[in-house]
Amino acid sequence: QTVVTQEPSFSVSPGGTVTLTCGLSSGSVSTSYYPSWYQQTPGQAPRALIYSTNIRSSGVPDRFSGSILGNKAALTITGAQSDDESDYYCVLFVGNGILVFGGGTKLTVL
Amino acid sequence: QVTLRESGPALVKPTQTLTLTCTFSGFSLTTSGMCVSWIRQPPGKALEWLARIDWDDDEYYSTSLKTRLTISKDTSKNQVVLTMANMEPVDTATYFCARVPFYYGSGSYYPLAMDVWGQGTTVTVSS
Repeated sequence: QTVVTQEPSFSVSPGGTVTLTCGLSSGSVSTSYYPSWYQQTPGQAPRALIYSTNIRSSGVPDRFSGSILGNKAALTITGAQSDDESDYYCVLFVGNGILVFGGGTKLTVL
Repeated sequence: QVTLRESGPALVKPTQTLTLTCTFSGFSLTTSGMCVSWIRQPPGKALEWLARIDWDDDEYYSTSLKTRLTISKDTSKNQVVLTMANMEPVDTATYFCARVPFYYGSGSYYPLAMDVWGQGTTVTVSS
């Protein structure tokens, strides 16, 4: 079974830059996994941020960007703001039509 | 405007079968590339993808849950139904449905974002 890995938690200072990553327990993440990223605040449904590695969803500020860094997908937030404090999830298209979520990263802005 | 709304029982007993309905508007599940997924989130835990049904009736399931899940659609009612058999207390969660457009390229379909989500419905499994 495919396991998608994310940092459990991360912190960033207001105005700072942070990169969250999304990996595989076995193997490397490439664009062929069509990584996507979602932001979720408590009690709310997730919101799509990035899909197909680096395409921003409608209405997402350009301080959110996606990429492949080494063998992982990455979400970079440039100029972090207090309302970026959320849980962030990546999703990989692992083949056979199946999607798999990572365990999520809790981002603190302080 | 695209909307999705989940509905179903708030409480089910262990061993029972859960039936959830996702009622959507603003798009059609007969459009090529259009799909709907179900996702769940136990309290305080991560999101988990469960299943997907496509415009062409193809169905896909989580590897770990596929023996318990069935997804279906009624395009005339704009609904997607998920059933989960043999419910256990660990299945207590908020269940979401989401639209997932796929695009066609190089002879295959590939996912875009789960771009519109319902607000979720909370299901508790308890005797």
